[in-house]
Amino acid sequence: NAGVTQTPKFQVLKTGQSMTLQCAQDMNHEYMSWYRQDPGMGLRLIHYSVGAGITDQGEVPNGYNVSRSTTEDFPLRLLSAAPSQTSVYFCASSYSGQLNTEAFFGQGTRLTVV
Amino acid sequence: AQKITQTQPGMFVQEKEAVTLDCTYDTSDQSYGLFWYKQPSSGEMIFLIYQGSYDEQNATEGRYSLNFQKARKSANLVISASQLGDSAMYFCAMKYNFNKFYFGSGTKLNVKP
Repeated sequence: NAGVTQTPKFQVLKTGQSMTLQCAQDMNHEYMSWYRQDPGMGLRLIHYSVGAGITDQGEVPNGYNVSRSTTEDFPLRLLSAAPSQTSVYFCASSYSGQLNTEAFFGQGTRLTVV
Repeated sequence: AQKITQTQPGMFVQEKEAVTLDCTYDTSDQSYGLFWYKQPSSGEMIFLIYQGSYDEQNATEGRYSLNFQKARKSANLVISASQLGDSAMYFCAMKYNFNKFYFGSGTKLNVKP
């Protein structure tokens, strides 16, 4: 049972480069989301999706794009990396529409933009 | 707007003692869920405990209990009999709109032998 799988685990980018962080879950969860974690700021929501074909912005969406073509996959794209996007990124999934279900997290991606 | 406040950036506790990690929240929603997650130095996020806004009893999971005071909008995590393996970052989170999570800034707990 893989749960939520995130790749890569580490990445170094140069300013202006683009990349895609991959996220896949095998629990048939409708709801998927991306967070960034910065020191002293907890986890902040970037984008989320309530199902295939439906995405929406979270708290800090600028500089990031997402798409959801299948229930399982929810990739996060950095269009033109900036040093301010240096962070740890987490993908999470959960059952939709239920308050009492926890979010399952991937292992995280540590991204450094130089 | 939702808000979660964790006022203790760092805490120390002696092994085998109990410790309380504070969490206050703000929301105008009537239905919400409160969660605690543990993040060890390895980085993964581990779910610990859940409390629903309509639950009258405080939630308990092994050595973890959630001291839920709805009128004060607080959801403190109590860890009994601390162990060295409890040293980690702890995040309080609120689930609202039945899907979205809002996280606090975290408390770093150090358990001393």
